[in-house]
Amino acid sequence: AQSVAQPEDQVNVAEGNPLTVKCTYSVSGNPYLFWYVQYPNRGLQFLLKYITGDNLVKGSYGFEAEFNKSQTSFHLKKPSALVSDSALYFCAVRDFGRGSTLGRLYFGRGTQLTVWP
Amino acid sequence: DGGITQSPKYLFRKEGQNVTLSCEQNLNHDAMYWYRQDPGQGLRLIYYSQIVNDFQKGDIAEGYSVSREKKESFPLTVTSAQKNPTAFYLCASSTTSQETQYFGPGTRLLVL
Repeated sequence: AQSVAQPEDQVNVAEGNPLTVKCTYSVSGNPYLFWYVQYPNRGLQFLLKYITGDNLVKGSYGFEAEFNKSQTSFHLKKPSALVSDSALYFCAVRDFGRGSTLGRLYFGRGTQLTVWP
Repeated sequence: DGGITQSPKYLFRKEGQNVTLSCEQNLNHDAMYWYRQDPGQGLRLIYYSQIVNDFQKGDIAEGYSVSREKKESFPLTVTSAQKNPTAFYLCASSTTSQETQYFGPGTRLLVL
């Protein structure tokens, strides 16, 4: 079965410091992995994805994520946090099983990132 | 959010009433999805549709119904059988050949 874990409900970091939001996954085959961000009372915005190739994926707003197959992780990172990065972040994994479940996403519970000035 | 619209932004439901949430996309995507978001629980899949006139139940379909009569539209009805409908509802779409789902701005449903 596919699943995603975000072990931290909250991450707090000072502006200008590097940030990491953790994600681990479990899939039966090769994973397609995604990060989304949500601002209050808004929909989710796509940040980046890993399909294949380079393990370091670069995305929007200076974010990047590192795919680690041996640790089944896909942590989101940014070298220098901004106050405006404060939001709810979701990790998701794509299910490529057969039949009617083809293509659905499984989401983690989300991590609230707070960047303080 | 661009390309996917949801309406209304806020919706109030009286007890015993059915309400319908609208989701429209102009991205020419084949697949569409409905999620429910509750605080601390992430996103849970209600229904999804890979093509027109076809849809499948997700993890929490009880008390909800959908239709997919047009490619660009995927309305969700919250029926009176859904006893705890208060939540933030998100619609998404994707192409079948591309993995990224794009989300609408959401509808917040409240019970009077």
